[in-house]
Amino acid sequence: GDSVTQMEGPVTLSEEAFLTINCTYTATGYPSLFWYVQYPGEGLQLLLKATKADDKGSNKGFEATYRKETTSFHLEKGSVQVSDSAVYFCALISRGTGNQFYFGTGTSLTVIP
Amino acid sequence: EPEVTQTPSHQVTQMGQEVILRCVPISNHLYFYWYRQILGQKVEFLVSFYNNEISEKSEIFDDQFSVERPDGSNFTLKIRSTKLEDSAMYFCASSDRSRTETQYFGPGTRLLVL
Repeated sequence: GDSVTQMEGPVTLSEEAFLTINCTYTATGYPSLFWYVQYPGEGLQLLLKATKADDKGSNKGFEATYRKETTSFHLEKGSVQVSDSAVYFCALISRGTGNQFYFGTGTSLTVIP
Repeated sequence: EPEVTQTPSHQVTQMGQEVILRCVPISNHLYFYWYRQILGQKVEFLVSFYNNEISEKSEIFDDQFSVERPDGSNFTLKIRSTKLEDSAMYFCASSDRSRTETQYFGPGTRLLVL
């Protein structure tokens, strides 16, 4: 079945450090891939998405590229800020199997000044 | 910006009791969802709801669970007889069309069953 595996946390970085959070997936059909972010006390917010192979999603300095050959969608940011501290969830929707999301476990990021 | 809201933010209940978790989706949305996340585990799909009926449900969504849209704004998840293993964070989401690639999530209700 469809599934997402993402990097275990927690991750602690200094401000302005480079961030990578790994995400790989297994899917039947042709999935769309997403990163959601959850700030403390808030709901899951869509951060970025990619709907087909080689697409790059980007938002707020974050990027992720849909790599079909490696079934990956790693999240990157060149220079993190304290305000990026949150939990990040990788997810997919597989178009052939309905409109439910399959999420990873989430990776907690703390950025220290 | 419109948002999905959920109440309560936290609920503590005794095993065997009924709980109702409430959600107010974004007002012009037509598709509604519940997900849950047991501590340390993945966010899991429970059910989707459209046009006053369940459109999909997972294996988790057994006879102990039910959903309802009792009026034009609320969307509820009822657990009839809670078990210890129902302790989790429950997220509501809504979207404006089926198979959409953007579902808007609420902040969650943390349920603790003792």
